[in-house]
Amino acid sequence: DGGITQSPKYLFRKEGQNVTLSCEQNLNHDAMYWYRQDPGQGLRLIYYSQIVNDFQKGDIAEGYSVSREKKESFPLTVTSAQKNPTAFYLCASSIRRGAYNEQFFGPGTRLTVL
Amino acid sequence: GQQLNQSPQSMFIQEGEDVSMNCTSSSIFNTWLWYKQDPGEGPVLLIALYKAGELTSNGRLTAQFGITRKDSFLNISASIPSDVGIYFCAGPGAGSYQLTFGKGTKLSVIP
Repeated sequence: DGGITQSPKYLFRKEGQNVTLSCEQNLNHDAMYWYRQDPGQGLRLIYYSQIVNDFQKGDIAEGYSVSREKKESFPLTVTSAQKNPTAFYLCASSIRRGAYNEQFFGPGTRLTVL
Repeated sequence: GQQLNQSPQSMFIQEGEDVSMNCTSSSIFNTWLWYKQDPGEGPVLLIALYKAGELTSNGRLTAQFGITRKDSFLNISASIPSDVGIYFCAGPGAGSYQLTFGKGTKLSVIP
């Protein structure tokens, strides 16, 4: 079945460590996105990529980094520079770059920094 | 930036009741999307609206794209326990292909 997978579902890390969250899609979508969700809040855009080897900062990119070496994959690294990294992270994809298209979400990764 | 105000923030209803929630924007939207998020899961797209005045149904759900293009409404008829979750409105503003999300309406259904 086509879809978006995120792994792991739960992740625990010590403060000061970098951590990479995985996002893979087999929908043949051009665009991929990373969002952060905090309790009682809407989703806030961290980074997005419209095409392989290109990505743009969203509203809250500080302390995060991404890469887009393959169309199917858009990993997110939460660095030690992110002041408050504990949150629920959601990856999404949409079919076509250069115009608005509906976004479809993965199941999310809950990151807890101890 | 663009802001979406979603109301109510939360609601408790009896099973079988109808539900109504809405979303307003500080600027014009070209598309309105309604998502549902179950606890610990990613949001699932329920309804997409593309035209001012449009009324679209998906089973017991009905959503409308406001005529001013600055608001949208979602109604759920005859609620059931599996309707529990957080409902988000979202949309790209004019000239944008990024989504702005509301903060969500948390729905609880009392059996």
